[in-house]
Order: sequence, then C-alpha cells, then structure tokens
Amino acid sequence: QVQLVESGGDLVKPGGSLRLSCAASGFTFSDYYMSWIRQAPGKGLEWVSYIGSGSITIYYADSVKGRFTISRDNAKNSLYLQMNNLRAEDTAVYYCARAVGGGRSVVFDLWGRGTLLTVSS
Amino acid sequence: DIVMTQSPDSLAVSLGERATINCKSSQSVLYSSNNKNYLGWYQQKPGQPPKLLIYWASTRESGVPDRFSGSGSGTDFTLTISSLQAEDVAVYYCQQYYSPPYSFGQGTKLEIK
Repeated sequence: QVQLVESGGDLVKPGGSLRLSCAASGFTFSDYYMSWIRQAPGKGLEWVSYIGSGSITIYYADSVKGRFTISRDNAKNSLYLQMNNLRAEDTAVYYCARAVGGGRSVVFDLWGRGTLLTVSS
Repeated sequence: DIVMTQSPDSLAVSLGERATINCKSSQSVLYSSNNKNYLGWYQQKPGQPPKLLIYWASTRESGVPDRFSGSGSGTDFTLTISSLQAEDVAVYYCQQYYSPPYSFGQGTKLEIK
C-alpha cells in the first residue's frame, strides 16, 4: 500500500551525527517532491527540509541550514536526512512527508509514522 | 518568513456542536495571479502522524468528511467542524505554503466538553 516508513532514529550525544532514512512504497516516488518535518516532544510541527523530484531544488529551515543535508535515491525509492553537529534542540520525532502542489508551494499529503531522535549527553 | 498564529490554543466543544479554529498569517498567503490561498489544515490524533484535511484554504482532501470546512482569504482563515464527533478529538494545525520556509501554526487542541 501507499506508505512511508522512517528509520534511523537513535540517542546521540551533542555534536554527533546521524542519518535518517525514509522508504517509500505504493506510489511512483520519483514523481514527487519530499520533505522532512519534525515535532519535539509535546510540541508543534516544524518543517525541516524539502527536496524536488530531481534533487535540484532543495530548501532548509534556518534552524538546520549548514548542519543537515537532505538527499534522495529515486532508484531505491528512498529519502535521507544527514544530520551533523546535533544539538539538544534537534530532539524530536522526524517525519518523512510527501509534498504535493505546484513547484515550491506544497502541502504534505502523506506522512510516515516518524522516527525519534534524542540528542543528550 | 511567514508566521502562523492559531486561536484558541485549546477548545472544548460538546458532541454535535460546532467547533471553530482560527489561523492568522503575518502576511497574505493569497497569490493574486491565480486567486488561490496557499493555506492548509491538518489533524493530528494522539500517537499518530498529521493528516491533511484541507488545502487551498477550502478544498477538502479526498475522504475527509464534509463536516470539516475551511474558509478565509488573505491573512485570516477558519477551520469549522459543523457537528463535532468523538473521533474529531485531535490537535489541528494550519500551514502556509505560499513560500518556504513552510510554517505551521502552534496547534489547537480540540476536546469534548
């Protein structure tokens, strides 16, 4: 069925690195823009990053710019988020989301169940 | 960057009654060339990921019950649940997609009175 499944969340020390993955199935992954969105424990939603279908257009939230890198492998139907220099405030559930709309104007119509990143010493 | 502000932060409504959630953007999300408002609404039930309810401010996503409706234009928007059902207990978020960074409201927690 149509779904997104995130993996890779873990407990990491401040300053550490981690790569999250998202496996897509049930739809033509290469046709869609994708995003990462996070939610700190008990808090609201924060958009993190966006990647176009061909990986040419990429956007980041200011809070992660220079530390996080989004990428995708359309042959493997997979989305990734490389996170470096992690901080306590990066602690959150990270959702992979399919983005639909026109160009850079997108809503998120399919979400995974999320993977938890905890940054703590 | 566009800031989204929802009101109220929480809301308790009796079953069968109307629930209204407001969302205000710090600048207009109406694109004049196509007269579309780049505003979406999401529902997040406890322990679940968010679910898209409405886009273009008033278009219901496929499968969303018609008791959910969206209205508004420019900077002021409303999500209305016409007759609250028990399964509507959730946190509701608005989101602007006029331009990145895409921003969400802080959320409105809807409970049964």
